[in-house]
Amino acid sequence: DAGVIQSPRHEVTEMGQEVTLRCKPISGHNSLFWYRQTMMRGLELLIYFNNNVPIDDSGMPEDRFSAKMPNASFSTLKIQPSEPRDSAVYFCASRSTSLNQETQYFGPGTRLLVL
Amino acid sequence: RKEVEQDPGPFNVPEGATVAFNCTYSNSASQSFFWYRQDCRKEPKLLMSVYSSGNEDGRFTAQLNRASQYISLLIRDSKLSDSATYLCVVNGDDKIIFGKGTRLHILP
Repeated sequence: DAGVIQSPRHEVTEMGQEVTLRCKPISGHNSLFWYRQTMMRGLELLIYFNNNVPIDDSGMPEDRFSAKMPNASFSTLKIQPSEPRDSAVYFCASRSTSLNQETQYFGPGTRLLVL
Repeated sequence: RKEVEQDPGPFNVPEGATVAFNCTYSNSASQSFFWYRQDCRKEPKLLMSVYSSGNEDGRFTAQLNRASQYISLLIRDSKLSDSATYLCVVNGDDKIIFGKGTRLHILP
């Protein structure tokens, strides 16, 4: 079975540019999470969706960040405009609450470098 | 007090030794607990859930102490392949909090 798929795997961009990260959750999973990981702050939850609806976006750092989940098999995290302090690894994870499971399955991550 | 706190390490342990990590949490209403493992430049993966009664999976034992609000992970007969970062995860009130992780290096 395919796991969580993220693209791109690496992104290098210049400050001020728009960055779009993509995620395809595991088929059948109804919860999706976006995380950011840095050495200083560890793994931080940015936002999560249940059944395509955003439930908690309190971790989204500021208005420059936005996330969408137009359908059950696709989500995007957008940064506009990007800043050097946004450099981090961004993980997407999914799980199935309908099976009363709490295990989250992580994608391989997108390594973002903003110059 | 931080919501979830772990000793960052690194723990440098000779192969075959036993090593233990603790993780403390601040929300007494937290409901479920997990240990994840993250290899260098990889994504976190579930290692094991932590139950009130304690649970064991091979060389790994996880325990929960609700009164003192901590969870622990014990690794016996450590292997070189156990070298990784171990993340403590606490769920509660619809919040999922990851600790920053404890780095473990198993030395040959």
